[in-house]
Amino acid sequence: DGGITQSPKYLFRKEGQNVTLSCEQNLNHDAMYWYRQDPGQGLRLIYYSQIVNDFQKGDIAEGYSVSREKKESFPLTVTSAQKNPTAFYLCASSPGSAPGTQYFGPGTRLTVL
Amino acid sequence: GQQLNQSPQSMFIQEGEDVSMNCTSSSIFNTWLWYKQDPGEGPVLLIALYKAGELTSNGRLTAQFGITRKDSFLNISASIPSDVGIYFCAGPYTGTASKLTFGTGTRLQVTL
Repeated sequence: DGGITQSPKYLFRKEGQNVTLSCEQNLNHDAMYWYRQDPGQGLRLIYYSQIVNDFQKGDIAEGYSVSREKKESFPLTVTSAQKNPTAFYLCASSPGSAPGTQYFGPGTRLTVL
Repeated sequence: GQQLNQSPQSMFIQEGEDVSMNCTSSSIFNTWLWYKQDPGEGPVLLIALYKAGELTSNGRLTAQFGITRKDSFLNISASIPSDVGIYFCAGPYTGTASKLTFGTGTRLQVTL
């Protein structure tokens, strides 16, 4: 079954700890994205990667880091520098052949205590 | 930056009613996308529009790419309870198809 997986679905961490969210896709898509969603709001872009070993900052990259060592994987680390890390995090991928079209994973809800 | 404004912000309708929502921008878009998000889940792509004036259907859903390229509309006919969710419009940033800007969403609730 092709798709995007994010794990875990729910994540709890203590304040001051770094935490890494997983995103894997088996769609053979070149581009991958991380978004943050806060209650009642739209999606804001954190980081994106159009090709392996390359990534760019989105609109709210401060306090986050990513890597893209494999085409299938795009993990996001929420660092202790992120002031308000509690949010719903969504990963997406895009084939590039259909302009702008992105497909989303099920999301990870991060709660920092 | 580019902003997408969606209206209405929320709506309550009765099962069986038709629904209309829209998305507007001060900038021109070459692609319009409509997504639906169920509570606690990732958005699912409903319809993609690539040409001004284009009208595309997906079951009971119909979306249109506005002639001015600054707006798009989504209609749902004969709503059912599973239509509940948040509907987002989205479009690529100017100059790059690889980044999307999203509207703030229209929350739809359907009563029996």
